[in-house]
Amino acid sequence: DTGVSQNPRHKITKRGQNVTFRCDPISEHNRLYWYRQTLGQGPEFLTYFQNEAQLEKSRLLSDRFSAERPKGSFSTLEIQRTEQGDSAMYLCASSPQGATQTNGQFFGPGTRLTVL
Amino acid sequence: SQKIEQNSEALNIQEGKTATLTCNYTNYSPAYLQWYRQDPGRGPVFLLLIRENEKEKRKERLKVTFDTTLKQSLFHITASQPADSATYLCALLRDSNYQLIWGAGTKLIIKP
Repeated sequence: DTGVSQNPRHKITKRGQNVTFRCDPISEHNRLYWYRQTLGQGPEFLTYFQNEAQLEKSRLLSDRFSAERPKGSFSTLEIQRTEQGDSAMYLCASSPQGATQTNGQFFGPGTRLTVL
Repeated sequence: SQKIEQNSEALNIQEGKTATLTCNYTNYSPAYLQWYRQDPGRGPVFLLLIRENEKEKRKERLKVTFDTTLKQSLFHITASQPADSATYLCALLRDSNYQLIWGAGTKLIIKP
């Protein structure tokens, strides 16, 4: 499968615990995006990488959230000291440079986080 | 602030008819507008993109229009099928900015 993959698909954790999600983009895509989506809403932008550089981070994102893409390939999103309000679907997407305008972004299946 | 509105109520359409979904935006001048399909529990799938200087774009049974004066895009599915049932999201992109701004989506139900 050459699409975007995300792991785990589901994560249940207790409030206050740390969680980490992984995203493997399409191999030739140098742009990678993280979004958060809650029920009945569209995706909300979290952060964006071009290769290994994190070029933008949403002002809505608290300091408890951090993302990395150390070698410009896969990416991880970590949430520290989780809160119940963090419960959502976390989506990863990728695109070739300059192609978002023409071919859109390619999304993974998402990681559903439930914070108890 | 930037705002994108899509019909929050589900749209029920009889199979074979044309489904039309609306995306309205305010306080924004997008260079590109995109439409995605999302099935339950899955990530969005890109369908079509239209540029600010284009009035209409077609792909098979899909048609998108873009009216920058009305600040509105319409998304049409002709000869609709039950398999077209899903949530459809519009997203705006400004110039070459990578960041997509999303609507909440409209759930489309095609009845056989």
